Amino acid sequence: QQPVQSPQAVILREGEDAVINCSSSKALYSVHWYRQKHGEAPVFLMILLKGGEQKGHEKISASFNEKKQQSSLYLTASQLSYSGTYFCGTEGAGGTSYGKLTFGQGTILTVHP
Amino acid sequence: SQTIHQWPATLVQPVGSPLSLECTVEGTSNPNLYWYRQAAGRGLQLLFYSVGIGQISSEVPQNLSASRPQDRQFILSSKKLLLSDSGFYLCAWMNRDEQYFGPGTRLTVT
Repeated sequence: QQPVQSPQAVILREGEDAVINCSSSKALYSVHWYRQKHGEAPVFLMILLKGGEQKGHEKISASFNEKKQQSSLYLTASQLSYSGTYFCGTEGAGGTSYGKLTFGQGTILTVHP
Repeated sequence: SQTIHQWPATLVQPVGSPLSLECTVEGTSNPNLYWYRQAAGRGLQLLFYSVGIGQISSEVPQNLSASRPQDRQFILSSKKLLLSDSGFYLCAWMNRDEQYFGPGTRLTVT
């Protein structure tokens, strides 16, 4: 089943923070986050593996609550370059899934000057 | 470093015509490879994946097929295109647990 992302869209001013959530109804092995600019391929941001590990680089970080099967992406002090559509992709737990990802419907993030 | 290529970048094909999209990966051996489709304004849907030469698994029954004739080559095909086959086709490869997308092929079926 497709994970559910919230919110569907968010509008920010430069320097503001945002949180994007990804929720699954099944047990997860990993959650992958991507950003896609209009007309381009999705770009890998980070992966969170089973174990509740929190990751981050620069001003973008993410957490993974495996008990709740939820992940959140945190964008702090947003920049114009953060604009785009953010997708979470989930991989189910229990056995070999060979990296098959199921993607959410996406969250459109717009950052204004 | 690893690189993934896809061609063509854009394609306009009439209904009923055949299709062949190619994906190649450089700088790695025996990668897991994937084909995804993204309809306009939508999320990504996994179509096929492959863990090795000649090993193809289909995720969604449809008008498409995939083949992996060489270790780093993945091909998406159709004998007769439908209007509903239009979309952005993305090839991806896996490095450890991380999955990276190629630049994609934008297909318009008219």
